[in-house]
Amino acid sequence: NAGVTQTPKFQVLKTGQSMTLQCAQDMNHEYMSWYRQDPGMGLRLIHYSVGAGITDQGEVPNGYNVSRSTTEDFPLRLLSAAPSQTSVYFCASSYSIVAGLGTDTQYFGPGTRLTVL
Amino acid sequence: GESVGLHLPTLSVQEGDNSIINCAYSNSASDYFIWYKQESGKGPQFIIDIRSNMDKRQGQRVTVLLNKTVKHLSLQIAATQPGDSAVYFCAENIMDTGNQFYFGTGTSLTVIP
Repeated sequence: NAGVTQTPKFQVLKTGQSMTLQCAQDMNHEYMSWYRQDPGMGLRLIHYSVGAGITDQGEVPNGYNVSRSTTEDFPLRLLSAAPSQTSVYFCASSYSIVAGLGTDTQYFGPGTRLTVL
Repeated sequence: GESVGLHLPTLSVQEGDNSIINCAYSNSASDYFIWYKQESGKGPQFIIDIRSNMDKRQGQRVTVLLNKTVKHLSLQIAATQPGDSAVYFCAENIMDTGNQFYFGTGTSLTVIP
C-alpha cells in the first residue's frame, strides 16, 4: 500500500490564484480530512469527509472547498489564494474515528508546503 | 474554544535517559487521545492512543498516562534514542463535536548522543 499520498509537495502561488491540492489513499478508508499546520500552532482541521459524497466543515474552512466523489480521493481547492493561506497542508485518512484502541487511527500524508505571495 | 496545550515547547535529553512530554487539555468531555510523532518534513505518525476509561497504556518503549482529574496527559519514552528526536503532539477527540481532533502545538524533543 502507498498509504496516503499528496501532490504537489511544494507550491508557490500568487494572491488570487486558484489551485487544487490532491490527496489519495489506497487503504479503503472511509474517513478523510485536511489539516493545515502553522508555526506555533497545532494542526487545525479544514474539512473532512466520512464517506464518498459526504463532506463537512472543520475548524477553519473559509477559503477552501472539498469534494469526495470516490472513496480514494479527497482534493482540497483554494478558490482565491491569500497570503494567510501560506501553510503546510496535511491530508489524513482512517476507517473511523474513536474506535478500537490502536486501530482506526489517522494516517497522514507527507504534506504540501504552500506559499502564497 | 477548546485548547490542548503542551507545558514545554522544547525538551533535550541524553541518549538512554527517559523522556516525559506533557499535555494539558481543557474539555472534560474529551474521551479519546492520541500522541503523534512528527519528524522534520514529514507528516505526523501515530505513536499510541488512550481512551478516557483508562489511566495508562503501554506500547513499545512508550507509555501514555491520563489523569482525568487534572485533565493531563503525558507521554513517556523509555531509553530515548537519537531516532526519537522529533516534535510530539497530543490530540484530543471530543465526542460532542463529532469527528474532529484538537491538536496541541507540539514539543520538540532533541536527543543528545
